[in-house]
Amino acid sequence: GESVGLHLPTLSVQEGDNSIINCAYSNSASDYFIWYKQESGKGPQFIIDIRSNMDKRQGQRVTVLLNKTVKHLSLQIAATQPGDSAVYFCAENGSPGNQFYFGTGTSLTVIP
Amino acid sequence: DAGVIQSPRHEVTEMGQEVTLRCKPISGHNSLFWYRQTMMRGLELLIYFNNNVPIDDSGMPEDRFSAKMPNASFSTLKIQPSEPRDSAVYFCASSSGQPGKLPQHFGDGTRLSIL
Repeated sequence: GESVGLHLPTLSVQEGDNSIINCAYSNSASDYFIWYKQESGKGPQFIIDIRSNMDKRQGQRVTVLLNKTVKHLSLQIAATQPGDSAVYFCAENGSPGNQFYFGTGTSLTVIP
Repeated sequence: DAGVIQSPRHEVTEMGQEVTLRCKPISGHNSLFWYRQTMMRGLELLIYFNNNVPIDDSGMPEDRFSAKMPNASFSTLKIQPSEPRDSAVYFCASSSGQPGKLPQHFGDGTRLSIL
């Protein structure tokens, strides 16, 4: 099966600082990647996505970077807020089947 | 806009009982996915449907698990008989277009406890 792993299972940051969450993916054929945020008691929530023809995409306070050479994905959160505290998952579409494969998740804690 | 709706939100039952989880996907979405989430194994895909047809059920743990999608607006995941190791949070997600090409949108899950 596919393997999508995260380098840091937990991350604590001060409110107002920037956060960087990393993800290594395994399938060089993956052409679509998504970051999800999961708060306690809720389902994963879509944050931002990127396709393999791009290496950077920006949203509101979030940026996703894709390095296909080393099969690495990162999520940058600017000016981290307490409401950003959650578990963050990366997902790749891989092959075959075009289903998504999810990483194990990184728990982000924002310290007020 | 209504998101993916799952019911019940919580289910506690004794082992051996039948459990039925329900999902209403987002209107217009043609793919539906059932996941199981545990601390030990993370988020696992159990089965997914495209246009109401099961495409990949290789993640279904064993014959005690079954899933149906009788129409585009409803799906069920059934466990019979249930066992304590089935305790987990079960998520349903839906997407439009071809699976793996657009984001999946998740419901808030059913927290299942088998005693």
